Amino acid sequence: KAGVTQTPRYLIKTRGQQVTLSCSPISGHRSVSWYQQTPGQGLQFLFEYFSETQRNKGNFPGRFSGRQFSNSRSEMNVSTLELGDSALYLCASSRSAGGAFAFFGQGTRLTVV
Amino acid sequence: AQRVTQPEKLLSVFKGAPVELKCNYSYSGSPELFWYVQYSRQRLQLLLRHISRESIKGFTADLNKGETSFHLKKPFAQEEDSAMYYCALSPETSYDKVIFGPGTSLSVIP
Repeated sequence: KAGVTQTPRYLIKTRGQQVTLSCSPISGHRSVSWYQQTPGQGLQFLFEYFSETQRNKGNFPGRFSGRQFSNSRSEMNVSTLELGDSALYLCASSRSAGGAFAFFGQGTRLTVV
Repeated sequence: AQRVTQPEKLLSVFKGAPVELKCNYSYSGSPELFWYVQYSRQRLQLLLRHISRESIKGFTADLNKGETSFHLKKPFAQEEDSAMYYCALSPETSYDKVIFGPGTSLSVIP
């Protein structure tokens, strides 16, 4: 059974640009959650999607957005990138809504220069 | 407010010594508690959950509702236990998100 797959693994962008990250959940999982991981802040919740609907959102500015497709794959978009957006972005999938018993992807390392 | 705290950012123990990673939470209902572990260069993975009352890799964790704690313990630390450990809370309804603590970096000294 394939795990959670995130693409790309690494990204370098310049300030002001936008970026789209992709997450393919485990087959049969309908919940996808996104987290930002930084050394200083740890894991910070971005948002959760379940059956193509955003169910929860963390305390991030509107530059951070996401969506989920009918096959449960999810994308996360960050517009007008800032240096502080440099982080590891993790995606997690689970069968049920709420993100419990989540399986994590390896993450996308975003560097903003 | 719902919150998970892990008071130790860094914890160092000698190989063979007991280890306890502390986790406290604030939540008004009856949540589910988990421990996640992230080894160097590996993905974050679920270590154990309080409901199953199991021991994984020698680790156990007991939910103490009176003290709102869910400390992770192992009687004899091994070098391969060195990792980042996150305590997490899943609310009793599926309408709220999972909340992670800030994490504790465990270093086992050979």
